[in-house]
Amino acid sequence: GAVVSQHPSRVICKSGTSVKIECRSLDFQATTMFWYRQFPKKSLMLMATSNEGSKATYEQGVEKDKFLINHASLTLSTLTVTSAHPEDSSFYICSAFPSGGSDTQYFGPGTRLTVL
Amino acid sequence: DAKTTQPPSMDCAEGRAANLPCNHSTISGNEYVYWYRQIHSQGPQYIIHGLKNNETNEMASLIITEDRKSSTLILPHATLRDTAVYYCIVRVAHNQGGKLIFGQGTELSVKP
Repeated sequence: GAVVSQHPSRVICKSGTSVKIECRSLDFQATTMFWYRQFPKKSLMLMATSNEGSKATYEQGVEKDKFLINHASLTLSTLTVTSAHPEDSSFYICSAFPSGGSDTQYFGPGTRLTVL
Repeated sequence: DAKTTQPPSMDCAEGRAANLPCNHSTISGNEYVYWYRQIHSQGPQYIIHGLKNNETNEMASLIITEDRKSSTLILPHATLRDTAVYYCIVRVAHNQGGKLIFGQGTELSVKP
């Protein structure tokens, strides 16, 4: 159980366009989801906490107008990279806590974004 | 959250036990020890967690020292598919605002 999916798995876009990445909890509900990014050969960096029905909380140094997060339902959070540039190319990973007391966080498979 | 220290890399022979150490000398009483691993180009996978007692599941065992300042993740019979980066993370419970903050981890190479 506790499966998290992401779509798309990889995306290539032109500089200046916006890209939306979906994160879904398939077999549980999640009031809280997290978004991370990871550069090659580096560790995961927490970007923001996504809360169902309320605004996301961003980590220091992460531009909220650049990385728009929407958590409209208990099973879906989206991350939109607006006006993408080559330096936004990265591996984006989401994770979720099952609602109802579980303290274990489960991760999606990640989305590889390449901005040309 | 408290920081952890892990060796950057380790090797292990296939079929042998892999013992991955983690130091968390500044851990607080309400912080848990979590272990995740990340196989190349995939999302992290939960392995095990504990507060102060040793824990075992189908994947691994977690040994936490009595003073809680360090722990060891044990993969009893490592296989080639266990090659990954292993992350030791300490954090308070989610309902207390805990977040998973990743360090650099240990890159484990299981060799035939």
